[in-house]
Amino acid sequence: KAGVTQTPRYLIKTRGQQVTLSCSPISGHRSVSWYQQTPGQGLQFLFEYFSETQRNKGNFPGRFSGRQFSNSRSEMNVSTLELGDSALYLCASSYGQGVSYEQYFGPGTRLTVT
Amino acid sequence: LAKTTQPISMDSYEGQEVNITCSHNNIATNDYITWYQQFPSQGPRFIIQGYKTKVTNEVASLFIPADRKSSTLSLPRVSLSDTAVYYCLVGGGATNKLIFGTGTLLAVQP
Repeated sequence: KAGVTQTPRYLIKTRGQQVTLSCSPISGHRSVSWYQQTPGQGLQFLFEYFSETQRNKGNFPGRFSGRQFSNSRSEMNVSTLELGDSALYLCASSYGQGVSYEQYFGPGTRLTVT
Repeated sequence: LAKTTQPISMDSYEGQEVNITCSHNNIATNDYITWYQQFPSQGPRFIIQGYKTKVTNEVASLFIPADRKSSTLSLPRVSLSDTAVYYCLVGGGATNKLIFGTGTLLAVQP
């Protein structure tokens, strides 16, 4: 069974640009969650999508958005990039909604904002 | 804002039992406690999850006292391959907030 895949793995963007990251969950998983990981702030929850609807949201500005498609694949968008958005963005999939279901993480997308 | 704290680092030797504690004083009703392991350049990997008392699986045990303000991940007989960063995650309950701990770098030596 294939694991969670994230594309691209590495990305370099300029301040002010926008970026879209993609996540393909494990087959049969209907929930996708996104996390940001930085040396300073550690791991932080961004949002969770289940059945194409955002079910939970962390404490991030509106520049961070996401969506989920009918095949459970998910995209995350960050608009008007800031230097502080440089981070490893991780997505995790699970069979059901919420943290009570075991989450499987992808390898992440390393975003560098210059 | 809820804080979830862990020791920054721990050292151990192969074959020893390691206990890593996570402090979560502001845990909310029905919050779950989940532990993850992360190696460099990889996403976190699920280890164990619990709500109260003790949970055990094939790789670890999780001890949660009655007040649930802390939790302890116990790794029996660690090996070199257990060198990694360990995170606790608290949340998913009444407030639906998810808060990761600060992470503990476990270094296992031969």
